[in-house]
Amino acid sequence: IAGITQAPTSQILAAGRRMTLRCTQDMRHNAMYWYRQDLGLGLRLIHYSNTAGTTGKGEVPDGYSVSRANTDDFPLTLASAVPSQTSVYFCASSDQDRAVDEQFFGPGTRLTVL
Amino acid sequence: GQNIDQPTEMTATEGAIVQINCTYQTSGFNGLFWYQQHAGEAPTFLSYNVLDGLEEKGRFSSFLSRSKGYSYLLLKELQMKDSASYLCAVTDSNYQLIWGAGTKLIIKP
Repeated sequence: IAGITQAPTSQILAAGRRMTLRCTQDMRHNAMYWYRQDLGLGLRLIHYSNTAGTTGKGEVPDGYSVSRANTDDFPLTLASAVPSQTSVYFCASSDQDRAVDEQFFGPGTRLTVL
Repeated sequence: GQNIDQPTEMTATEGAIVQINCTYQTSGFNGLFWYQQHAGEAPTFLSYNVLDGLEEKGRFSSFLSRSKGYSYLLLKELQMKDSASYLCAVTDSNYQLIWGAGTKLIIKP
């Protein structure tokens, strides 16, 4: 592994189903982030984690949950998917927290909820 | 509210120079980032400005004026591979990163 990986690459999901998007980094970065990107809108922060064991809510957290059991992994769970959660999801990490450091992004997961 | 404004789309010619502007209104300021995002790919870091002035990095330069809430990204000697979206993002007083919607740059031969 080099950098950040995300899985799956893409997924079509029925509304009401539960889904976990996986994110793993091998850079030993302290901070990790989940964003969604929709056409015509900027990246919007869903949840973040400044260090293992801690998480925080971003701009659009409703319907999503995260955990940070260790430094490397930061999964994002949709408890009961809805069509408005159709989006491209990016995981990112940075060495420092507090958004003063370059963020490294994973390749993204394209999610469609029908 | 907090706001980042960038042009939606710009067109330029291969070999030319283009300037992409970004204006921001945020609660405080702790730095401004520019990222490049090719279609279907992840954003990648280009530059970070926290003090006023021009930062040059090869063909790309980024300028910041904190008093005017303004930045620009200058791309010189444009190449076809520079066709991408360019994202401006500002770190506010709570150290949250606020993203603009991005500027799609189209390079024509």
